[in-house]
Amino acid sequence: DTAVSQTPKYLVTQMGNDKSIKCEQNLGHDTMYWYKQDSKKFLKIMFSYNNKELIINETVPNRFSPKSPDKAHLNLHINSLELGDSAVYFCASSQQGFEDTEAFFGQGTRLTVV
Amino acid sequence: AQKVTQAQTEISVVEKEDVTLDCVYETRDTTYYLFWYKQPPSGELVFLIRRNSFDEQNEISGRYSWNFQKSTSSFNFTITASQVVDSAVYFCALSEAGGSTLGRLYFGRGTQLTVWP
Repeated sequence: DTAVSQTPKYLVTQMGNDKSIKCEQNLGHDTMYWYKQDSKKFLKIMFSYNNKELIINETVPNRFSPKSPDKAHLNLHINSLELGDSAVYFCASSQQGFEDTEAFFGQGTRLTVV
Repeated sequence: AQKVTQAQTEISVVEKEDVTLDCVYETRDTTYYLFWYKQPPSGELVFLIRRNSFDEQNEISGRYSWNFQKSTSSFNFTITASQVVDSAVYFCALSEAGGSTLGRLYFGRGTQLTVWP
């Protein structure tokens, strides 16, 4: 069973389009995240949600909108895609509480904007 | 300021050599967590280890070992008798226990390890 799964794995789209990436975790974790990995492999947090509530919004353009229908899902919608949005997007989850757990990552979605 | 520094951008070794990947971190929190993740060429992020700030014991897992030293704010990773399958990008990461950060990971820029046969 996949712990954190995100779809699609690859996404090629034209500038100006709107696209979504879906993420689901079956670990029972209460916190989910989106990270962006740029072309130089640098990983940086975009958003985090705890029990469906937005906790971290890390200076991300308004074109990016996360949505968490329940604590097992955190989807990422991107409007008006730009060339600079091309990157690998990782979803992750962890359990936060008395002692934080490690984050488990999805396999990544490689977004290419042409 | 970068919270996690991995000064080695790329390292190349020949199989069976030992290799150490350096990681230096910066935080004002007294409670924090340190991690290592591996990203093989297939692209997924594989969790290797988590350490909390109160546990400075070194850890060994097979060919992997980790040296955590609070005095130098370092959390170095050593692979003994490296193998070709160890070729990957390795990331060191820091998580601060403060409430507002809620488990967010600050990643270093990664070290590309290439092991030649």
